[in-house]
Amino acid sequence: DGGITQSPKYLFRKEGQNVTLSCEQNLNHDAMYWYRQDPGQGLRLIYYSQIVNDFQKGDIAEGYSVSREKKESFPLTVTSAQKNPTAFYLCASRDQRSSYNEQFFGPGTRLTVL
Amino acid sequence: KQEVTQIPAALSVPEGENLVLNCSFTDSAIYNLQWFRQDPGKGLTSLLLIQSSQREQTSGRLNASLDKSSGRSTLYIAASQPGDSATYLCAVRNSGNTPLVFGKGTRLSVIA
Repeated sequence: DGGITQSPKYLFRKEGQNVTLSCEQNLNHDAMYWYRQDPGQGLRLIYYSQIVNDFQKGDIAEGYSVSREKKESFPLTVTSAQKNPTAFYLCASRDQRSSYNEQFFGPGTRLTVL
Repeated sequence: KQEVTQIPAALSVPEGENLVLNCSFTDSAIYNLQWFRQDPGKGLTSLLLIQSSQREQTSGRLNASLDKSSGRSTLYIAASQPGDSATYLCAVRNSGNTPLVFGKGTRLSVIA
């Protein structure tokens, strides 16, 4: 069964804690992305990676960190420096080498700060 | 900087109507444009992708058109059904290596 998986589906964090959101894809896609979605604000890009061991900041990278050690995995860490982390987080991937290069999304993780 | 606008923000129609959702973008030098559907609390589902060299794409009751020169795309939904109720997002890619730029979406309600 091919696709993008995100875990957990729901995550609760106490203030001051770091938490890591998982994103895995078995589509053999080279590019992966993390977005944050808040009501009324649309999708905002946090980080993206086009190849293993390389990644770029998006529009709202402050308070977040990522790694890309494997092609299929792109975990996102929400650090204690992120002051308002409660949001819906979406991971996506695409095959940049393809001329069609449609982008696909995972089911999302909802993070709530207690 | 590319900006994508979707109007209206919300739309309510009776079942069976044909409808058009609008998307406009400020920089016409795009690589491709993608339409997505999002159900509440779910991820995005890709509906249609239009390459910059194409004028339209069709999938079932959906037809997306692209007019690069005017910076516009439309998503046409024929014979709408209550199951079409969702938020529809338009996104534009400026080059092969740049991320998508998203509009804020149109929330569609189809009333039975």
